[in-house]
Amino acid sequence: GQQVMQIPQYQHVQEGEDFTTYCNSSTTLSNIQWYKQRPGGHPVFLIQLVKSGEVKKQKRLTFQFGEAKKNSSLHITATQTTDVGTYFCAGYSGGGADGLTFGKGTHLIIQP
Amino acid sequence: GAVVSQHPSRVICKSGTSVKIECRSLDFQATTMFWYRQFPKKSLMLMATSNEGSKATYEQGVEKDKFLINHASLTLSTLTVTSAHPEDSSFYICSARVDFTDTQYFGPGTRLTVL
Repeated sequence: GQQVMQIPQYQHVQEGEDFTTYCNSSTTLSNIQWYKQRPGGHPVFLIQLVKSGEVKKQKRLTFQFGEAKKNSSLHITATQTTDVGTYFCAGYSGGGADGLTFGKGTHLIIQP
Repeated sequence: GAVVSQHPSRVICKSGTSVKIECRSLDFQATTMFWYRQFPKKSLMLMATSNEGSKATYEQGVEKDKFLINHASLTLSTLTVTSAHPEDSSFYICSARVDFTDTQYFGPGTRLTVL
């Protein structure tokens, strides 16, 4: 079945440094979604990428979808303490019935 | 924006009892809902796909007789954990897909603790 690999599993950064997490799917995706989960909370939808090569920005967050629609990345510029949490990518293969396949998540730890 | 609710948010039960968790889409119709399970510090794992008016589709390794899913209306799906055991303790999250789109919205989750 479809697999989504996400790296790194953990990332420690100093506040103000940049952060990137990467996702790779074993199959071509219809779209990829990114979620943020604060400690103790539930995943919150951040964005959905649909088009090949798509790049979307949300303030300090930049999301990319690869040309082959099999990989994606999330980059945070100048991290802040509010960015702490786990970032999940989730791939959707399409076809109507399938749920999302989540990556294992990247835990972002920020040191002030 | 679209909201999905889950009830209860937390439940503690004794081993051997059954627990029902509700997932509701509050302002949109969701023919399809999904149930996920999250182990501590782990990713979400899809358990089953719930379709209104038909039987749920379970992922490999998920016991359908233990995790009963009923999707009785376009806005409500329920997950019943039958004869719960301590190893069933987990965070259960549902999501609802907006009809005719690929967009899913997640519920806030239910923390199940089985003593």
